[in-house]
Amino acid sequence: AQSVTQPDIHITVSEGASLELRCNYSYGATPYLFWYVQSPGQGLQLLLKYFSGDTLVQGIKGFEAEFKRSQSSFNLRKPSVHWSDAAEYFCAVALIYNQGGKLIFGQGTELSVKP
Amino acid sequence: NAGVMQNPRHLVRRRGQEARLRCSPMKGHSHVYWYRQLPEEGLKFMVYLQKENIIDESGMPKERFSAEFPKEGPSILRIQQVVRGDSAAYFCASSRDRYFNEQFFGPGTRLTVL
Repeated sequence: AQSVTQPDIHITVSEGASLELRCNYSYGATPYLFWYVQSPGQGLQLLLKYFSGDTLVQGIKGFEAEFKRSQSSFNLRKPSVHWSDAAEYFCAVALIYNQGGKLIFGQGTELSVKP
Repeated sequence: NAGVMQNPRHLVRRRGQEARLRCSPMKGHSHVYWYRQLPEEGLKFMVYLQKENIIDESGMPKERFSAEFPKEGPSILRIQQVVRGDSAAYFCASSRDRYFNEQFFGPGTRLTVL
């Protein structure tokens, strides 16, 4: 069955430090992969997505993610974290079928940023 | 171009009442998805609709929950006889096509059942 695993429930990093959030997926075909960010009490904002092509994807707010088929991973990275990056981050895979599709989300990783 | 709109943003109901959640997709989007986020959990798919059609309702509870996306007007998620376990944030998303191109989420409706 298709699934997404985010192994880290909560991560704390210092402002200015680098960040990597892990995401592993299980999907039979070439996946469509997404990273979303959710601030407290808010909806989801798309950071970046991978459909095909270059396995290193650039997104908004300085984030990037790398698709590694051999590891079934799509980890999110940022070289220097800002205090405003504190939020919850969700990885998702799109399940596409004949008539449409849906997103399957991971459990989320809550990011805290220390001054 | 306005984004995905959901109303109300907050909804309080007593056990046994009905809850109606509305979602207006982005202009030009004909694919609508509803997701539920329980406290301390990720988002779970509920239902996928296109205009006047339910395409996939595999994530909908078997009873009390229904959804529609009429030819005119917003998509509606309806919960009858709400129970405390229905308290959650309900998010709507819309996309231009089934490949999630130009997909956007609404701000959500936070339902509290007393």
